[in-house]
Amino acid sequence: GAGVSQSPRYKVAKRGQDVALRCDPISGHVSLFWYQQALGQGPEFLTYFQNEAQLDKSGLPSDRFFAERPEGSVSTLKIQRTQQEDSAVYLCASSFTGDETQYFGPGTRLLVL
Amino acid sequence: EDQVTQSPEALRLQEGESSSLNCSYTVSGLRGLFWYRQDPGKGPEFLFTLYSAGEEKEKERLKATLTKKESFLHITAPKPEDSATYLCAVQFNAGNNRKLIWGLGTSLAVNP
Repeated sequence: GAGVSQSPRYKVAKRGQDVALRCDPISGHVSLFWYQQALGQGPEFLTYFQNEAQLDKSGLPSDRFFAERPEGSVSTLKIQRTQQEDSAVYLCASSFTGDETQYFGPGTRLLVL
Repeated sequence: EDQVTQSPEALRLQEGESSSLNCSYTVSGLRGLFWYRQDPGKGPEFLFTLYSAGEEKEKERLKATLTKKESFLHITAPKPEDSATYLCAVQFNAGNNRKLIWGLGTSLAVNP
């Protein structure tokens, strides 16, 4: 079956621009996670949804970061007024329940110039 | 503070030369420990989940084991296609907390 998909795969933004990153989880997966991965580092947790409810947003680095999953399926991570330090790979993962294995998409590589 | 430490940072092996990667953690109330493989430019690919001390999982040339404080990923007779970064992550028991806490990974290169 289809895995987690993310779009766009690459995004170049000018500093100050707003960006929106999309995640399509595996069909039927209740839980959805966003992580940020800097070059040469392990992923860092950003936020977690169970269906449409955002249960944990403790990892969002600032109020410029906003995530939503309005219908409990597709999720969008929005970054407002991008800064150079936002440059990273943004990974989305889904799991059947929050307790089970998280399956990852290919990531969106964001470069802020 | 909950932490995950992986060693070594990098490992270079000859094809067929077996070795082990280490993942140590200081998490109170472990829910699960996960091993992933990540190739350049790709998302982490799931390998194993371990839930309790003494548990072992095997897949082809890989075997993962778990104790109360660490996990090992044993690679037997590796091939060049096993070259990748191997990431360890833990999930712990705390209310609605389901996030994974990750190590920095071990970069493995297997030479033919």
